[in-house]
Amino acid sequence: AQKITQTQPGMFVQEKEAVTLDCTYDTSDPSYGLFWYKQPSSGEMIFLIYQGSYDQQNATEGRYSLNFQKARKSANLVISASQLGDSAMYFCAMREVGFGNEKLTFGTGTRLTIIP
Amino acid sequence: EPEVTQTPSHQVTQMGQEVILRCVPISNHLYFYWYRQILGQKVEFLVSFYNNEISEKSEIFDDQFSVERPDGSNFTLKIRSTKLEDSAMYFCASSKGQGVGEQFFGPGTRLTVL
Repeated sequence: AQKITQTQPGMFVQEKEAVTLDCTYDTSDPSYGLFWYKQPSSGEMIFLIYQGSYDQQNATEGRYSLNFQKARKSANLVISASQLGDSAMYFCAMREVGFGNEKLTFGTGTRLTIIP
Repeated sequence: EPEVTQTPSHQVTQMGQEVILRCVPISNHLYFYWYRQILGQKVEFLVSFYNNEISEKSEIFDDQFSVERPDGSNFTLKIRSTKLEDSAMYFCASSKGQGVGEQFFGPGTRLTVL
């Protein structure tokens, strides 16, 4: 079964608009972390934002915020005031905490294209 | 700011040859990982390394793969006899562990097997 599901393979958004990238996850572990990474065409993985399962508030980092709905098992990324430089692949990932291993499981990604 | 480094950035090899991909994790991190990403696909976990031993490996990480931390700084991934399907971007990552904070990724090594 898919642990991380990203249902939007591609999105086109007008510059300066806000965009929401969807992510749902599946785990029975009460302790986990959710991450968003950005992968530009150059290929590197850039960390954007992190949400812990016990965090009471939604995470925010500058223009990025994570809409964490625990009961629905969703962790959507919201980018406010999109810029041309936001065009990239975006991956949602989950970490299930285990002794000696905190591997990330990634979704299939969403390719975001910002239109001028 | 400390970062994970990887060398080489691009490696081209012939099928059947051995390759070693190198990584220098962040110095005070305890957990080390290799992931791979076949072109156009998602990032997949290969192996995690903690306390000088493999803590988990995926089904991709078969007998052709091995990892080593030969000294206090380097972390290597060896593929003994490369296949065409090993062509991918290989990412090294490290973290402090204990469920704290992010996992830092290196810039990746693009491996092309001909």
